Amino acid sequence: EIVMTQSPATLSVSPGERATLSCRASQSVSSNLAWYQQKPGQAPRLLIYGASTRATGIPARFSGSGSGTEFTLTISSLQSEDFAVYYCQQYNNWFWTFGQGTKVEIK
Amino acid sequence: QVTLKESGPVLVKPTETLTLTCTVSGFSLSNARMGVSWIRQPPGKALEWLAHIFSNDEKSYSTSLKSRLTISKDTSKSQVVLTMTNMDPVDTATYYCARIHAVHDYAPDYWGQGTLVTVSS
Repeated sequence: EIVMTQSPATLSVSPGERATLSCRASQSVSSNLAWYQQKPGQAPRLLIYGASTRATGIPARFSGSGSGTEFTLTISSLQSEDFAVYYCQQYNNWFWTFGQGTKVEIK
Repeated sequence: QVTLKESGPVLVKPTETLTLTCTVSGFSLSNARMGVSWIRQPPGKALEWLAHIFSNDEKSYSTSLKSRLTISKDTSKSQVVLTMTNMDPVDTATYYCARIHAVHDYAPDYWGQGTLVTVSS
């Protein structure tokens, strides 16, 4: 099983600042990585797939990068609606695994 | 408009079998390059993938739960059914179904609202 490790567990950021979230895979997943945003009481929302492609309707302030085992989600200027938990997920094969999540909170 | 909706019991007893139904609209379960996945999330914890089923009826299961899971679909009813046997309190979670489509590399792009299942005697 491919283990996905996200860091940090919690990120405290002021509105308008940049947030950088990391995700590491225990073995190469090529670019088969997605990022999701989840707010309390809601289902996850797909932000990024293919490591760097924004899903439909996702603002340009969200960007993804990386390949192989190291990935990054960057939120260029945090808006109030961006405070949430973010998960990475590998789909390199049909046996998916998710990271444990990074909570982005207001500083 | 693509929607998915999970339904099933809110409470099951230990050792019982859980049956969840995902009813979809806005797309057909017979569409090529498309499928439905089940994912769960225990309260306050991370997401865990359970199973996929595709338009050609191909299926995949979580390795750790494979012996307990069965996924099937009824295309005429636009429904995907997941059964999980021998339920335990650790299986208490919100269960989501989600669409997967080749246009998004098969990353789940539309999710149901989720249904909370509690396992308790």
